[in-house]
Amino acid sequence: DQQVKQNSPSLSVQEGRISILNCDYTNSMFDYFLWYKKYPAEGPTFLISISSIKDKNEDGRFTVFLNKSAKHLSLHIVPSQPGDSAVYFCDIIQGAQKLVFGQGTRLTINP
Amino acid sequence: DTGVSQDPRHKITKRGQNVTFRCDPISEHNRLYWYRQTLGQGPEFLTYFQNEAQLEKSRLLSDRFSAERPKGSFSTLEIQRTEQGDSAMYLCASSFPRTGYNGYTFGSGTRLTVV
Repeated sequence: DQQVKQNSPSLSVQEGRISILNCDYTNSMFDYFLWYKKYPAEGPTFLISISSIKDKNEDGRFTVFLNKSAKHLSLHIVPSQPGDSAVYFCDIIQGAQKLVFGQGTRLTINP
Repeated sequence: DTGVSQDPRHKITKRGQNVTFRCDPISEHNRLYWYRQTLGQGPEFLTYFQNEAQLEKSRLLSDRFSAERPKGSFSTLEIQRTEQGDSAMYLCASSFPRTGYNGYTFGSGTRLTVV
């Protein structure tokens, strides 16, 4: 019963172009959606969040879009930089403030 | 404050042995979480403390696993009679309710290898 699905295990993008990471969820009863980024040998770090009452949130090069009717979340990174190469997790907040993670998408930015 | 600290960073143990991991959260964070991450998967919730009270445990937390947070500060996660399937990265995170939806800070994790 995977509640959060990231169907692309990997994505390769050229430096300077837009990276688009996608996520689908199955339950509508969530208040917040988040994206975390993880480098090898480090814990996940918070990137950006969006409330369920909004459809867009922007923070610098990062924008998260929420399409509630399609139960779809996406993260746009523009322009992509080599330091953005990492694994990105889509997350929901459920119950007692615990995070439910997707499987992750490994983003590689090519120079 | 140096963030969330986990010790050890790596642990190799023989099957059947007991292991204990420690997590020191950010001092003003009263919520502490344990997650487990296996290869190719996202982290999975194991358990959660608010202060010293363990408020929720995942069904992933079998009876071989026990977690404590005796004084509401650091926490320990013990695995008894380890099995090869326990090999994973064990992550600790802490948060403060006021910023709960984006205030999670994760440690760097303890990588457990059971041989």
